[in-house]
Amino acid sequence: QSALTQPASVSGSPGQSITISCTGTGSDVGTYNLVSWYQQHPGKALKLMIYEVNQRPSGVSNRFSGSKSGNMASLTISGLQAEDEADYYCCSYAGSIIPYVFGTGTKVTVL
Amino acid sequence: EVQLVESGGGLVQPGGSLRLSCAASGFSFSDDWMSWVRQAPGKGLEWVARIKQDGSAKYYVDSVKGRFTISRDNAENSLYLQMNSLRAEDTAVYFCARDLAVSGTIDFWGQGTLVTVSS
Repeated sequence: QSALTQPASVSGSPGQSITISCTGTGSDVGTYNLVSWYQQHPGKALKLMIYEVNQRPSGVSNRFSGSKSGNMASLTISGLQAEDEADYYCCSYAGSIIPYVFGTGTKVTVL
Repeated sequence: EVQLVESGGGLVQPGGSLRLSCAASGFSFSDDWMSWVRQAPGKGLEWVARIKQDGSAKYYVDSVKGRFTISRDNAENSLYLQMNSLRAEDTAVYFCARDLAVSGTIDFWGQGTLVTVSS
């Protein structure tokens, strides 16, 4: 299984919206509606932001939303805030033997 | 509050062994699959191993098969990763994670423990 492809970096000004893409294959993103997104601040534990493509865990801001079309999933952050500056990783379920394949990671910078 | 706290990382020579531990609290540990995921320095995430609630099923990424063994002690709410025949490419931060197998999602992560394989 190859890593899912994400842009290395995305930036935006406070208040703007940004979208991070996550491109997989028909064996992972394209087959399962089980795409999740994680936020990672330096030295901190990863935080689940989106699961099952577009579901938000309790406590996650509704500024975060997810979608999927074919082999590509996306994370949109609306009303960008300074605290959103972090690394973001997508993840897709890929079957029982190798269950998870992760994205290459995207660094979000708030200008 | 779900908490996962890893320990046992450190510097080890190539060919050496290390045993990682993960202490879980704040949820019913015996009800959930658990996984180990690693992140090499400056790199992305890689799923390493997974274990069923009762330990009866275990899965591994190809690169660690035959060298790493995942196990758990439900009485102690603890997860383990025994790593043998370590290689330089195993150098990474190793994360313990709660694996919601039914929904194909990892929902909680520890902060990780660093394993460095170097002579």
